Amino acid sequence: AQSVTQLDSHVSVSEGTPVLLRCNYSSSYSPSLFWYVQHPNKGLQLLLKYTSAATLVKGINGFEAEFKKSETSFHLTKPSAHMSDAAEYFCVVSDQGYGQNFVFGPGTRLSVLP
Amino acid sequence: ETGVTQTPRHLVMGMTNKKSLKCEQHLGHNAMYWYKQSAKKPLELMFVYSLEERVENNSVPSRFSPECPNSSHLFLHLHTLQPEDSALYLCASSQDWGTGIGYTFGSGTRLTIV
Repeated sequence: AQSVTQLDSHVSVSEGTPVLLRCNYSSSYSPSLFWYVQHPNKGLQLLLKYTSAATLVKGINGFEAEFKKSETSFHLTKPSAHMSDAAEYFCVVSDQGYGQNFVFGPGTRLSVLP
Repeated sequence: ETGVTQTPRHLVMGMTNKKSLKCEQHLGHNAMYWYKQSAKKPLELMFVYSLEERVENNSVPSRFSPECPNSSHLFLHLHTLQPEDSALYLCASSQDWGTGIGYTFGSGTRLTIV
């Protein structure tokens, strides 16, 4: 069975400072991992995905994430936060062994302070 | 717009009403999904349709009735809902159910039961 843990329900950073959103997963098979962002009253937008290629994945809007199998982690980072980054972020694991089967984490709300 | 369109964006209905949510995609995708997003809970997969056939029904109450008349349209028919059914209902589509390629979410319908 798959599961996703997002260790922080809320992260607050100042504009221009680094962002770190943490995600740990468990999966019986080689997982695919995703980060989605959801702005208020909007649907989910794909930020980036890992599908067994390069372990450091670059996404949109300057975000990137590193797959660390030994730590079962897929943390999301950005060097410098922008006000427009304030949103809810979801880490998602998909068990490739059984095809499409998204399991969503509970989400982390990112606040960016001026 | 992401390519997946949901209508209406907002819906307020009484517990005895009957209404339908609509999802439409013209991405050429073969799989479509309904998710429920409640406050402070992880995203819950409700139904999956692949090539217009229902392939997953995750213990959803019968007061939610999905319909997929063709690969571009997905409906969620609602009747005699409960206050706890108030949530954001998200539709998604992907190229195929097994690969998850091109997984795309709509903006959602905010449902309020009064």
